[in-house]
Amino acid sequence: DTAVSQTPKYLVTQMGNDKSIKCEQNLGHDTMYWYKQDSKKFLKIMFSYNNKELIINETVPNRFSPKSPDKAHLNLHINSLELGDSAVYFCASSQDFGGRYGYTFGSGTRLTVV
Amino acid sequence: DAKTTQPPSMDCAEGRAANLPCNHSTISGNEYVYWYRQIHSQGPQYIIHGLKNNETNEMASLIITEDRKSSTLILPHATLRDTAVYYCIVPYNQGGKLIFGQGTELSVKP
Repeated sequence: DTAVSQTPKYLVTQMGNDKSIKCEQNLGHDTMYWYKQDSKKFLKIMFSYNNKELIINETVPNRFSPKSPDKAHLNLHINSLELGDSAVYFCASSQDFGGRYGYTFGSGTRLTVV
Repeated sequence: DAKTTQPPSMDCAEGRAANLPCNHSTISGNEYVYWYRQIHSQGPQYIIHGLKNNETNEMASLIITEDRKSSTLILPHATLRDTAVYYCIVPYNQGGKLIFGQGTELSVKP
Protein backbone atom coordinates (compact mmCIF):
# COMPACT_ATOMS: atom_id res chain seq x y z
CA ASP A 1 0.00 0.00 0.00
CA THR A 2 1.23 3.48 -0.79
CA ALA A 3 1.12 5.53 2.34
CA VAL A 4 2.77 7.52 5.07
CA SER A 5 3.59 5.20 7.94
CA GLN A 6 4.64 6.16 11.45
CA THR A 7 6.03 4.08 14.25
CA PRO A 8 5.24 3.58 17.01
CA LYS A 9 1.51 4.22 17.13
CA TYR A 10 1.55 4.63 20.90
CA LEU A 11 4.44 5.73 23.10
CA VAL A 12 4.29 6.03 26.88
CA THR A 13 7.43 7.24 28.59
CA GLN A 14 8.67 8.98 31.69
CA MET A 15 9.70 12.58 31.99
CA GLY A 16 13.32 13.19 31.14
CA ASN A 17 13.61 10.30 28.70
CA ASP A 18 14.70 10.62 25.07
CA LYS A 19 12.51 9.07 22.40
CA SER A 20 12.21 8.91 18.62
CA ILE A 21 9.28 8.64 16.23
CA LYS A 22 9.90 7.32 12.75
CA CYS A 23 8.13 8.25 9.55
CA GLU A 24 8.39 6.80 6.09
CA GLN A 25 6.53 7.57 2.88
CA ASN A 26 6.56 5.46 -0.27
CA LEU A 27 4.69 7.98 -2.40
CA GLY A 28 7.78 9.45 -3.99
CA HIS A 29 6.96 12.85 -2.48
CA ASP A 30 9.59 15.57 -2.18
CA THR A 31 8.41 17.19 1.05
CA MET A 32 7.70 15.82 4.50
CA TYR A 33 6.27 17.44 7.62
CA TRP A 34 5.73 16.94 11.31
CA TYR A 35 2.56 18.25 12.92
CA LYS A 36 1.55 18.24 16.58
CA GLN A 37 -2.04 17.96 17.77
CA ASP A 38 -2.54 18.91 21.38
CA SER A 39 -5.33 18.08 23.79
CA LYS A 40 -7.43 20.93 22.41
CA LYS A 41 -7.24 19.29 18.98
CA PHE A 42 -5.34 22.11 17.29
CA LEU A 43 -3.01 20.90 14.57
CA LYS A 44 0.23 22.87 14.38
CA ILE A 45 3.10 22.46 12.00
CA MET A 46 6.48 21.83 13.58
CA PHE A 47 8.91 21.09 10.77
CA SER A 48 9.09 20.68 7.03
CA TYR A 49 11.81 19.08 4.95
CA ASN A 50 12.08 19.39 1.19
CA ASN A 51 14.48 16.97 -0.48
CA LYS A 52 16.21 16.36 2.87
CA GLU A 53 16.64 20.08 3.50
CA LEU A 54 14.99 21.76 6.49
CA ILE A 55 12.60 24.40 5.19
CA ILE A 56 10.24 25.16 8.04
CA ASN A 57 11.19 25.19 11.69
CA GLU A 58 8.41 26.68 13.76
CA THR A 59 8.98 27.90 17.30
CA VAL A 60 9.60 24.43 18.61
CA PRO A 61 11.92 23.81 21.60
CA ASN A 62 15.34 22.65 20.50
CA ARG A 63 14.71 19.43 22.41
CA PHE A 64 12.90 18.43 19.23
CA SER A 65 15.25 17.53 16.41
CA PRO A 66 14.05 16.23 13.06
CA LYS A 67 16.33 14.11 10.92
CA SER A 68 15.84 13.22 7.28
CA PRO A 69 18.30 10.54 6.14
CA ASP A 70 16.69 10.49 2.71
CA LYS A 71 13.71 11.90 0.90
CA ALA A 72 11.45 9.08 2.04
CA HIS A 73 12.14 9.34 5.77
CA LEU A 74 11.67 12.05 8.36
CA ASN A 75 12.25 11.04 11.95
CA LEU A 76 11.56 13.09 15.04
CA HIS A 77 13.82 12.81 18.06
CA ILE A 78 12.78 14.36 21.36
CA ASN A 79 15.21 14.87 24.23
CA SER A 80 14.39 15.33 27.90
CA LEU A 81 10.69 14.73 27.48
CA GLU A 82 8.32 16.95 29.45
CA LEU A 83 4.69 16.49 30.45
CA GLY A 84 3.66 19.17 27.96
CA ASP A 85 5.04 17.12 25.11
CA SER A 86 2.11 14.74 25.47
CA ALA A 87 0.18 14.99 22.21
CA VAL A 88 -0.49 13.19 18.95
CA TYR A 89 2.27 13.70 16.40
CA PHE A 90 1.43 13.39 12.72
CA CYS A 91 3.84 12.95 9.88
CA ALA A 92 2.77 14.09 6.41
CA SER A 93 4.15 14.35 2.91
CA SER A 94 3.35 16.25 -0.23
CA GLN A 95 4.39 15.93 -3.85
CA ASP A 96 5.85 19.42 -3.84
CA PHE A 97 6.74 22.06 -1.29
CA GLY A 98 3.51 23.76 -0.37
CA GLY A 99 1.29 20.79 -1.01
CA ARG A 100 -0.24 22.04 -4.23
CA TYR A 101 -1.71 18.59 -4.86
CA GLY A 102 -2.62 17.88 -1.27
CA TYR A 103 -0.92 16.41 1.75
CA THR A 104 -0.99 12.77 2.82
CA PHE A 105 -0.92 12.24 6.56
CA GLY A 106 0.14 9.28 8.62
CA SER A 107 -2.12 7.80 11.26
CA GLY A 108 -0.33 9.52 14.13
CA THR A 109 1.78 8.65 17.16
CA ARG A 110 0.13 9.23 20.51
CA LEU A 111 2.87 10.27 22.94
CA THR A 112 2.09 10.21 26.65
CA VAL A 113 4.69 11.53 29.07
CA VAL A 114 4.15 10.50 32.69
CA ASP B 1 -2.48 35.30 4.37
CA ALA B 2 -6.05 34.41 3.60
CA LYS B 3 -7.97 33.37 6.69
CA THR B 4 -10.98 31.10 6.72
CA THR B 5 -14.10 31.09 8.86
CA GLN B 6 -16.23 28.01 9.41
CA PRO B 7 -19.15 27.21 11.71
CA PRO B 8 -17.91 25.19 14.69
CA SER B 9 -20.43 22.40 14.29
CA MET B 10 -23.19 21.05 12.05
CA ASP B 11 -25.55 18.12 12.05
CA CYS B 12 -26.72 16.17 9.05
CA ALA B 13 -29.15 13.28 8.65
CA GLU B 14 -27.73 10.11 7.18
CA GLY B 15 -28.37 9.89 3.46
CA ARG B 16 -28.91 13.61 3.07
CA ALA B 17 -26.49 16.07 1.54
CA ALA B 18 -24.10 17.77 3.94
CA ASN B 19 -23.26 21.33 2.91
CA LEU B 20 -20.30 22.78 4.79
CA PRO B 21 -19.69 26.51 4.29
CA CYS B 22 -16.42 28.40 4.48
CA ASN B 23 -15.71 32.10 4.23
CA HIS B 24 -12.36 33.26 2.85
CA SER B 25 -13.04 36.89 2.03
CA THR B 26 -9.35 37.90 1.89
CA ILE B 27 -8.37 35.21 -0.62
CA SER B 28 -6.01 36.29 -3.40
CA GLY B 29 -6.54 35.56 -7.05
CA ASN B 30 -3.98 32.76 -7.21
CA GLU B 31 -4.81 31.05 -3.93
CA TYR B 32 -6.50 27.67 -3.92
CA VAL B 33 -9.08 26.50 -1.41
CA TYR B 34 -8.41 23.09 0.14
CA TRP B 35 -10.63 20.86 2.21
CA TYR B 36 -9.41 18.20 4.60
CA ARG B 37 -11.19 16.16 7.20
CA GLN B 38 -10.09 14.39 10.35
CA ILE B 39 -12.05 11.40 11.52
CA HIS B 40 -11.62 10.74 15.22
CA SER B 41 -8.17 9.43 16.14
CA GLN B 42 -6.99 9.38 12.52
CA GLY B 43 -4.68 11.60 10.51
CA PRO B 44 -6.22 14.39 8.41
CA GLN B 45 -7.38 13.29 4.99
CA TYR B 46 -7.28 15.39 1.84
CA ILE B 47 -10.72 15.74 0.23
CA ILE B 48 -10.65 18.24 -2.62
CA HIS B 49 -9.27 21.58 -3.74
CA GLY B 50 -10.19 24.27 -6.25
CA LEU B 51 -9.29 27.70 -7.58
CA LYS B 52 -12.39 29.20 -9.12
CA ASN B 53 -14.25 26.49 -10.96
CA ASN B 54 -16.47 24.03 -9.19
CA GLU B 55 -14.79 20.70 -8.62
CA THR B 56 -16.05 17.18 -8.05
CA ASN B 57 -14.33 13.95 -7.17
CA GLU B 58 -15.35 10.63 -5.73
CA MET B 59 -15.54 12.05 -2.22
CA ALA B 60 -17.21 15.43 -2.56
CA SER B 61 -18.05 18.51 -4.60
CA LEU B 62 -16.62 21.95 -4.06
CA ILE B 63 -18.64 25.00 -5.01
CA ILE B 64 -16.73 28.30 -5.08
CA THR B 65 -18.62 31.57 -5.43
CA GLU B 66 -17.86 33.77 -8.39
CA ASP B 67 -16.14 36.39 -6.22
CA ARG B 68 -14.19 33.52 -4.54
CA LYS B 69 -14.93 34.90 -1.10
CA SER B 70 -16.65 31.74 0.05
CA SER B 71 -17.03 28.09 -0.81
CA THR B 72 -19.17 25.11 0.12
CA LEU B 73 -18.09 21.52 0.45
CA ILE B 74 -20.89 19.14 -0.44
CA LEU B 75 -21.04 15.51 0.65
CA PRO B 76 -23.94 14.38 -1.53
CA HIS B 77 -25.14 11.42 0.53
CA ALA B 78 -23.65 11.64 4.00
CA THR B 79 -23.02 8.42 5.89
CA LEU B 80 -22.20 7.84 9.54
CA ARG B 81 -18.56 7.38 8.49
CA ASP B 82 -18.49 11.00 7.32
CA THR B 83 -18.70 12.18 10.92
CA ALA B 84 -15.48 14.16 11.31
CA VAL B 85 -13.95 17.61 11.66
CA TYR B 86 -13.79 19.34 8.28
CA TYR B 87 -11.12 21.95 7.62
CA CYS B 88 -11.23 24.63 4.93
CA ILE B 89 -7.70 25.93 4.26
CA VAL B 90 -6.14 28.52 1.98
CA PRO B 91 -2.42 27.71 2.13
CA TYR B 92 -0.69 29.30 -0.81
CA ASN B 93 0.78 32.34 0.88
CA GLN B 94 1.64 30.57 4.10
CA GLY B 95 5.16 29.64 3.05
CA GLY B 96 4.33 26.04 2.40
CA LYS B 97 2.64 25.57 5.73
CA LEU B 98 -0.78 23.99 5.93
CA ILE B 99 -2.36 25.88 8.81
CA PHE B 100 -5.40 24.28 10.36
CA GLY B 101 -8.12 26.32 12.03
CA GLN B 102 -10.81 24.92 14.28
CA GLY B 103 -12.82 23.45 11.42
CA THR B 104 -16.44 22.32 11.43
CA GLU B 105 -17.37 19.29 13.46
CA LEU B 106 -19.91 17.44 11.32
CA SER B 107 -22.13 14.89 13.05
CA VAL B 108 -24.05 12.59 10.74
CA LYS B 109 -26.99 11.12 12.59
CA PRO B 110 -29.12 8.07 11.75
